[in-house]
Amino acid sequence: EAQVTQNPRYLITVTGKKLTVTCSQNMNHEYMSWYRQDPGLGLRQIYYSMNVEVTDKGDVPEGYKVSRKEKRNFPLILESPSPNQTSLYFCASRTGSNYGYTFGSGTRLTVV
Amino acid sequence: RKEVEQDPGPFNVPEGATVAFNCTYSNSASQSFFWYRQDCRKEPKLLMSVYSSGNEDGRFTAQLNRASQYISLLIRDSKLSDSATYLCVVIKPPGGYQKVTFGTGTKLQVIP
Repeated sequence: EAQVTQNPRYLITVTGKKLTVTCSQNMNHEYMSWYRQDPGLGLRQIYYSMNVEVTDKGDVPEGYKVSRKEKRNFPLILESPSPNQTSLYFCASRTGSNYGYTFGSGTRLTVV
Repeated sequence: RKEVEQDPGPFNVPEGATVAFNCTYSNSASQSFFWYRQDCRKEPKLLMSVYSSGNEDGRFTAQLNRASQYISLLIRDSKLSDSATYLCVVIKPPGGYQKVTFGTGTKLQVIP
């Protein structure tokens, strides 16, 4: 089944404790992206990647890192999480410039 | 002005009603357009692409008005299962990465 898989689905952590949210797609898509979704603000792009080893900042990159060492994987790293990073995170992938994104099921992160 | 704007709603409509949402975009050179559906706390899912000539998928009709820079989604014969938030998506023109921008969504509640 074609899908984007992200883990974990739920995570509660403490301020400053490094964490990684994994994302993997099995559709051989070039483009991958991370979004966060907050009430009233909609989906905001954190980072995106056009292909292996090609990543760039989105609209809200502060406090996040990403890597794209393989085409299928695009992990999101929070080196020192803070409470303002409490949010619902989505990983997404698409095949080309005129195609929409396929989303993972989301990761609900709470930083206390 | 926001890049993509939607009326947040909620739109409360009775079963069987016809309802329409609009979404305006600011960049006249935007290239591709989509409608997504998002259920509460779930990932957005692609509902349909929006083509210049307009397109229909069952009870759903999408239209693009480039002159006035908006896209629309019409739902006929509303079902209870149509209750969700509808997100419009705009992809900016070519030239490097084609940025994907989401509207904040319009909430639809179909009432028995």
